[in-house]
Amino acid sequence: SQTIHQWPATLVQPVGSPLSLECTVEGTSNPNLYWYRQAAGRGLQLLFYSVGIGQISSEVPQNLSASRPQDRQFILSSKKLLLSDSGFYLCAWSFGDKRTEAFFGQGTRLTVV
Amino acid sequence: AQRVTQPEKLLSVFKGAPVELKCNYSYSGSPELFWYVQYSRQRLQLLLRHISRESIKGFTADLNKGETSFHLKKPFAQEEDSAMYYCALTGKSSGDKLTFGTGTRLAVRP
Repeated sequence: SQTIHQWPATLVQPVGSPLSLECTVEGTSNPNLYWYRQAAGRGLQLLFYSVGIGQISSEVPQNLSASRPQDRQFILSSKKLLLSDSGFYLCAWSFGDKRTEAFFGQGTRLTVV
Repeated sequence: AQRVTQPEKLLSVFKGAPVELKCNYSYSGSPELFWYVQYSRQRLQLLLRHISRESIKGFTADLNKGETSFHLKKPFAQEEDSAMYYCALTGKSSGDKLTFGTGTRLAVRP
């Protein structure tokens, strides 16, 4: 069976510090991978998605970047965090080319202080 | 650009009352539509998808291409239906991009 791991669950970082959130999927190959930010009243905002290694699509201009160094690993990064980067970040995966349901990680609550 | 609109942030009904959560979309091509649900302190999970044409937990949703809508319905709401509901869209012509609406919180009162 497939599983998704996202860590850390919570993170408090000072303004100007770097960020690295990691997401890995087990039990499948060549998944589609997604990073979302969930905010009250704004729903799930798609930040990045990837349909293959090294293929990253960015949805919104911002202070964040994403990378997919391995088939089942998706990393959300920032060189210098802003206060506005605080939020709840969700990683998700789906089967490539099948457009079936997406499976979500537990999320990371990021607080920038 | 593909877009999902959920006009209601909050829908409050009494137990046993009918429920309709609205979802409208914008998409060039043939979309695939989903409803996801997030119960308190649980992960976001799939509720149903339009291609399955099935009823899950008493909920149904019909894709209306003429009105570009995919409203979620249940004839008799239960307290355990209280949750956050998201409508989502994807499709081949957008390269598998999965877009969500802003969500509707359903509160079912006893």
